[in-house]
Amino acid sequence: GENVEQHPSTLSVQEGDSAVIKCTYSDSASNYFPWYKQELGKRPQLIIDIRSNVGEKKDQRIAVTLNKTAKHFSLHITETQPEDSAVYFCAASRNDMRFGAGTRLTVKP
Amino acid sequence: ETGVTQSPTHLIKTRGQQVTLRCSSQSGHNTVSWYQQALGQGPQFIFQYYREEENGRGNFPPRFSGLQFPNYSSELNVNALELDDSALYLCASSQRGAPAKSSETQYFGPGTRLLVL
Repeated sequence: GENVEQHPSTLSVQEGDSAVIKCTYSDSASNYFPWYKQELGKRPQLIIDIRSNVGEKKDQRIAVTLNKTAKHFSLHITETQPEDSAVYFCAASRNDMRFGAGTRLTVKP
Repeated sequence: ETGVTQSPTHLIKTRGQQVTLRCSSQSGHNTVSWYQQALGQGPQFIFQYYREEENGRGNFPPRFSGLQFPNYSSELNVNALELDDSALYLCASSQRGAPAKSSETQYFGPGTRLLVL
């Protein structure tokens, strides 16, 4: 089955800096790659997603890149703000969705 | 917030007992997926229901079972509870087209926090 690895497990940045989170997946048939943000005690919320026919997608301060050949994808957050602090999960899906272990992002004011 | 709801919000059970968790999908969605999220970990896929039939299953034993109803709401049943079943149980709803061409976007409910003593 699909196996998703996510790095780093924790990330601390200064407000205004950029943050990058990287994931790799094992199943070359996976075709959908969402990113979720989960604040403490709350549900995971979709922040951006990308499908396998696209290499890059951007939404304001958030961007995702996908390299199908290398089977890895990354989340980029620019101009980070304290409210970006949360746990971020990547996932890969063909039919069922498999998640990475999460990255705890802390943005220091 | 999504239109996905779950009940109950919290539950305490003892080992060996059985539990039923409920999920109402977002309006217009025909697919429900269930996940187990242990503390400090990512969600683990349990199974998915599409049009009232199981449509994929993760690495969970048969004592984890489910149902989907004609209105697309769903139940997760866990028999013979073990201490390690303590976790946040999340459901996510999505709209699958027929035939499905690629995975669809999933929207999560708030979860049910289960504690097994």
